[in-house]
Amino acid sequence: SQQGEEDPQALSIQEGENATMNCSYKTSINNLQWYRQNSGRGLVHLILIRSNEREKHSGRLRVTLDTSKKSSSLLITASRAADTASYFCATPLDSNYQLIWGAGTKLIIKP
Amino acid sequence: NAGVTQTPKFRVLKTGQSMTLLCAQDMNHEYMYWYRQDPGMGLRLIHYSVGEGTTAKGEVPDGYNVSRLKKQNFLLGLESAAPSQTSVYFCASRGITYEQYFGPGTRLTVT
Repeated sequence: SQQGEEDPQALSIQEGENATMNCSYKTSINNLQWYRQNSGRGLVHLILIRSNEREKHSGRLRVTLDTSKKSSSLLITASRAADTASYFCATPLDSNYQLIWGAGTKLIIKP
Repeated sequence: NAGVTQTPKFRVLKTGQSMTLLCAQDMNHEYMYWYRQDPGMGLRLIHYSVGEGTTAKGEVPDGYNVSRLKKQNFLLGLESAAPSQTSVYFCASRGITYEQYFGPGTRLTVT
């Protein structure tokens, strides 16, 4: 079963534009994480936001969390070709040992 | 500091054959995970371990076995491979923080 679901499934934008992708989840959480996966590679952790945080920044990344709507968004500002990748949100299942993953948003940055 | 490594990187099996995938981490992490990723989907947890000598089932454990005899290694076994097990397999580890660190993946094809 999938806890997090990303939207849109795919996004294609011009280099320099901002990219926004969304994640919805079903149950109460204490944190939500975003990961990036370059084609054919392992996932890389980008950012974690806790349930008592509403917004968090890391470089060109901005993550928001709305626990009342059970949703999160990832904004990448001033996109670059190197940002072309799939982006996944993940939320913990019960004891925090396990993460439940969405299907991801495939982001393509056009030069 | 290699992080998480996986061997082999690629493998082709015939239906009914067996194999073992090896995951090794050098970060002294307690938690280790095996996932599979199928096209257009997120990660699905096969098995995980919360410490040396422990294993637990994830979302899709059927057809797989695991062992964690040493803290740094987590082995995934396929006793009798089936075409439905064609996938990309990722190993991950986690320390005291929530973020998971991933290996580069093993691409398995079962014919």
